[in-house]
Amino acid sequence: GESVGLHLPTLSVQEGDNSIINCAYSNSASDYFIWYKQESGKGPQFIIDIRSNMDKRQGQRVTVLLNKTVKHLSLQIAATQPGDSAVYFCAEHGEDTGNQFYFGTGTSLTVIP
Amino acid sequence: DGGITQSPKYLFRKEGQNVTLSCEQNLNHDAMYWYRQDPGQGLRLIYYSQIVNDFQKGDIAEGYSVSREKKESFPLTVTSAQKNPTAFYLCASSIVPGTAPYEQYFGPGTRLTVT
Repeated sequence: GESVGLHLPTLSVQEGDNSIINCAYSNSASDYFIWYKQESGKGPQFIIDIRSNMDKRQGQRVTVLLNKTVKHLSLQIAATQPGDSAVYFCAEHGEDTGNQFYFGTGTSLTVIP
Repeated sequence: DGGITQSPKYLFRKEGQNVTLSCEQNLNHDAMYWYRQDPGQGLRLIYYSQIVNDFQKGDIAEGYSVSREKKESFPLTVTSAQKNPTAFYLCASSIVPGTAPYEQYFGPGTRLTVT
């Protein structure tokens, strides 16, 4: 999961395995969530999003699960590839936060060939 | 190619100098945002703008200023009043949220180092 601090949580997986990255969010009024991928020295890249009226959404090799009861979001990456190595972070938008998103600190994923 | 461009990629300045970071988008998005990213922390919002000639402060606006004279452009000035300006700065844009929010698209970032 994600946390505030100088050191990012890390996850190492073997190439071809599935990866699960977790995010705990804080605002029960959050209505929209995004997962971003950020490679070193680059801007974040949109991966997948989900609105609060859903609990699962699938994309190409990625699935996002939302559990509003425990305020938890997860990103599943199927058949992880070396190109998936990056920092992944979630962003939440609250009904009560205007146009602002709040971003997690991220999880560093390393794929071992 | 549609997207967001930021320049320069790396910027070095002496303490006490103001510096302006460029952000341009050709996505026809009305909303634009500036974030700051520090190691081990989530992105923090500096300023955002939903329409030309209008902008609002984010959580950490002190020591920064912006302008929005054109839809495509949202430059950020880091002033000498910003106590800790060394950081990675990210610009983003989106469709203006209506009844539902929309994803923000990010530029490649500018790494500012002040010594």
